[in-house]
Amino acid sequence: KQEVTQIPAALSVPEGENLVLNCSFTDSAIYNLQWFRQDPGKGLTSLLLIQSSQREQTSGRLNASLDKSSGRSTLYIAASQPGDSATYLCAVRPRVTGGGNKLTFGTGTQLKVEL
Amino acid sequence: DTEVTQTPKHLVMGMTNKKSLKCEQHMGHRAMYWYKQKAKKPPELMFVYSYEKLSINESVPSRFSPECPNSSLLNLHLHALQPEDSALYLCASSQAVLGGDYGYTFGSGTRLTVV
Repeated sequence: KQEVTQIPAALSVPEGENLVLNCSFTDSAIYNLQWFRQDPGKGLTSLLLIQSSQREQTSGRLNASLDKSSGRSTLYIAASQPGDSATYLCAVRPRVTGGGNKLTFGTGTQLKVEL
Repeated sequence: DTEVTQTPKHLVMGMTNKKSLKCEQHMGHRAMYWYKQKAKKPPELMFVYSYEKLSINESVPSRFSPECPNSSLLNLHLHALQPEDSALYLCASSQAVLGGDYGYTFGSGTRLTVV
């Protein structure tokens, strides 16, 4: 059974700092990994999607890396801003066909960026 | 259109009521999902529809009844709910097959309160 863990569970940083969020998964047979952002009481916003054949993806100040063999992904946020405050979730999609469209979510990292 | 639209955004219902949640997407995605999310927890999968057919039911109580009338619409019918069913209900969609996968798109959710 796939298990996904995110460290740290919570993080508070001053504005402008660069930071790294970690995601670990136990089964390397994944199809892709997706990073989401969730504001309190809201839905999930997709940030980056990394296919299993890729090593990293970038979007603006965000960079996500994937090391499938070691079961790790990181989300790097450059020059953090108060608007980045949210919960960040990683989710892995298994490499199966048919009805196996099941995402396994990580436990989440709650980020607070202070002025 | 790159969105998943959920209605209503908020719902308060009594334990004897019958209500429905609605989810709509026009991205041509053939897999649609219902997730349940409690506070400070990751989303939990409830149901998966693939090509309008129920492919996964994660042992959800029968008081939750999903329906997929067509490829763009997903409903969740609610009846005789319990207060512990109060949560954020999220709808998502994705390509049904692994090829050409662009990840999951989530709606903004329905905040359900059972009184």
